[in-house]
Amino acid sequence: DTGVSQNPRHKITKRGQNVTFRCDPISEHNRLYWYRQTLGQGPEFLTYFQNEAQLEKSRLLSDRFSAERPKGSFSTLEIQRTEQGDSAMYLCASSYRPDEAFFGQGTRLTVV
Amino acid sequence: QKEVEQNSGPLSVPEGAIASLNCTYSDRGSQSFFWYRQYSGKSPELIMFIYSNGDKEDGRFTAQLNKASQYVSLLIRDSQPSDSATYLCAVNNAGNMLTFGGGTRLMVKP
Repeated sequence: DTGVSQNPRHKITKRGQNVTFRCDPISEHNRLYWYRQTLGQGPEFLTYFQNEAQLEKSRLLSDRFSAERPKGSFSTLEIQRTEQGDSAMYLCASSYRPDEAFFGQGTRLTVV
Repeated sequence: QKEVEQNSGPLSVPEGAIASLNCTYSDRGSQSFFWYRQYSGKSPELIMFIYSNGDKEDGRFTAQLNKASQYVSLLIRDSQPSDSATYLCAVNNAGNMLTFGGGTRLMVKP
């Protein structure tokens, strides 16, 4: 399967714990995006990488959120001190063109 | 005012009918427009994109763009029950991200 891969698919965590998600983009795609989607809403942009450089961050991305893309391949998204409001689907997307996005299956986070 | 607006639905159409999904956007500088389909519990899947005013057809799908009216639509001909999903409109404003509407839920009844 050469699509965007995200792990884990589901994560349940207690409030206050840290969580980390991984995204493996389509291999020839140099652009990688993280979005967050809550029930009944469209995805909201979080951050964007071109190769290993993080070029854009949304104001939604509080200081508890950090994302990395070492070596311009896979990416990780870490949430520190999780809150119930962080419960959402976290979607990773990659692209070769500057504006298309092909999404992975997402990581569903539940904070209890 | 949201940047990308869609009627949340549900839009219910009988099998074989044409489903018409609409989207308006606020930023006149928007340059590219996308329709994604999202089945319940799944991730968005790109169906079509359109950059220029007018119509763009791909199989049973037609995207229509009117930049003067800041309006994008998606027509689905010969609707099938398998088309039942949420359809997300997304807009790129010459940046590196997509801005999504809230989606319209389509139900195609056999």
